[in-house]
Amino acid sequence: GENVEQHPSTLSVQEGDSAVIKCTYSDSASNYFPWYKQELGKGPQLIIDIRSNVGEKKDQRIAVTLNKTAKHFSLHITETQPEDSAVYFCAASTYGNNRLAFGKGNQVVVIP
Amino acid sequence: EAGVAQSPRYKIIEKRQSVAFWCNPISGHATLYWYQQILGQGPKLLIQFQNNGVVDDSQLPKDRFSAERLKGVDSTLKIQPAKLEDSAVYLCASSGQGDSPLHFGNGTRLTVT
Repeated sequence: GENVEQHPSTLSVQEGDSAVIKCTYSDSASNYFPWYKQELGKGPQLIIDIRSNVGEKKDQRIAVTLNKTAKHFSLHITETQPEDSAVYFCAASTYGNNRLAFGKGNQVVVIP
Repeated sequence: EAGVAQSPRYKIIEKRQSVAFWCNPISGHATLYWYQQILGQGPKLLIQFQNNGVVDDSQLPKDRFSAERLKGVDSTLKIQPAKLEDSAVYLCASSGQGDSPLHFGNGTRLTVT
């Protein structure tokens, strides 16, 4: 099955700086890559997603890039704010089955 | 729109006891998922329903876990008997037609002592 890995496990950034989280996946058939944000005591919340026919997608301060050849994708958060502090999960699935395989998560800490 | 509802929020039981979790998906969502999230890890899919039929339960420990989705709406996940390693957050998610994104509930935190 699909194996998704995330790096680094913990990331601390100064408020206003950028944060980048990278994920790699193993199954070349995967073609849907969402990112979820999870705050303490809550379920994961979808923040952005990308499909394999697109190399980059942006939504305000958040962007995701995908490199299918290298089988990795990244989340970019610009102008970080304290409310961006959370655990971020990347995931992958194959078009049509919607069965997400998640990475282990990255703890992002934004220092005011 | 109302989100995915789960209850209870917390449950503490002793090993070998049984427990049940309930989920009500977003209205109109045909696909429902149960995920297990152990502390410090990402969610792991246990079972996926399409309406009231099981699509994938390959990672469900069927000797102790069971799930049903009667009438294709809400769902229950049961563990009997529970083991210490079942301590985790159990997340329910739902999605609409085709490749719609998954929407998660806030989960049930289970502690087995």
